[in-house]
Amino acid sequence: QVTLRESGPALVKPTQTLTLTCTFSGFSLSTSGMCVSWIRQPPGKALEWLALIDWDDDKYYSTSLKTRLTISKDTSKNQVVLTMTNMDPVDTATYYCARAFYKTDAFDIWGQGTMVTVSS
Amino acid sequence: QSVLTQPPSASGTPGQRVTISCSGSSSNIGSNYVYWYQQLPGTAPKLLIYRNNQRPSGVPDRFSGSKSGTSASLAISGLRSEDEADYYCAAWDDSLSGRWVFGGGTKLTVL
Repeated sequence: QVTLRESGPALVKPTQTLTLTCTFSGFSLSTSGMCVSWIRQPPGKALEWLALIDWDDDKYYSTSLKTRLTISKDTSKNQVVLTMTNMDPVDTATYYCARAFYKTDAFDIWGQGTMVTVSS
Repeated sequence: QSVLTQPPSASGTPGQRVTISCSGSSSNIGSNYVYWYQQLPGTAPKLLIYRNNQRPSGVPDRFSGSKSGTSASLAISGLRSEDEADYYCAAWDDSLSGRWVFGGGTKLTVL
C-alpha cells in the first residue's frame, strides 16, 4: 500500500523558513521515473504546484516561487523535504505531497496534507 | 490567476449530465496530457482522470474526459449527490524549463 504523510510546523512567523517533510512508504524514489511533488492550497483557494523531485535527483520548481524553494530527497529514509524561505501570511495553506510515476504523469497518490499558518 | 482556465462553478440535478471545461495553451494542454482531480470537502485531492480520458481503477464510468487542441473537458453523467466537490484540471507545461499548472477549480453543486 502506497502512503505519503506530510509533517512540519503548524505555525511559522513571517520571514522564517518553513521546512516540510514528506515521508512515504510502498514505493522507492530510487525506482526509475518515480517522482514526488509538493502542492499547496490556501484556504478556500485553488491548488498550486510548488516543486518536483525525481528518482534521478532532477528538480523542477514553480516559476513564481523558484527563488524561495528547495526540494531534496533522502532515499534511504523514504523522505522528501521542501524548504520555503521568507514566509509570508499569503503562504498560509495546506501543503500536500504527492507521488507520480514520471514527471509529466498523474499525481496518483496524495498525502492528507498539513496546514501551515504564517502569523506573528 | 491560474494558468489553466476553468469556470468557477457548475451545477446540475441528480441524473443530469454536467461538463466542466479547462482551457490552456500550446505549451500545456496543447502538447501534454490533461489530468482531472476531485476534491471532496475537507479531503485531499483524488485522481479522477489521467492521460486525457483514462479512469483509474475504482472511478465510475460516469466520469469521462476529453481533449481537443488546447482545451479539455470533464463530463459527469448520471449526476449523484456525492459528486458535489471541487474539480481541478492539470497539465505539464513545457515552458520555462517545465512545470505543472493547475486550473482554478470548479465547484460542482448538485441541486
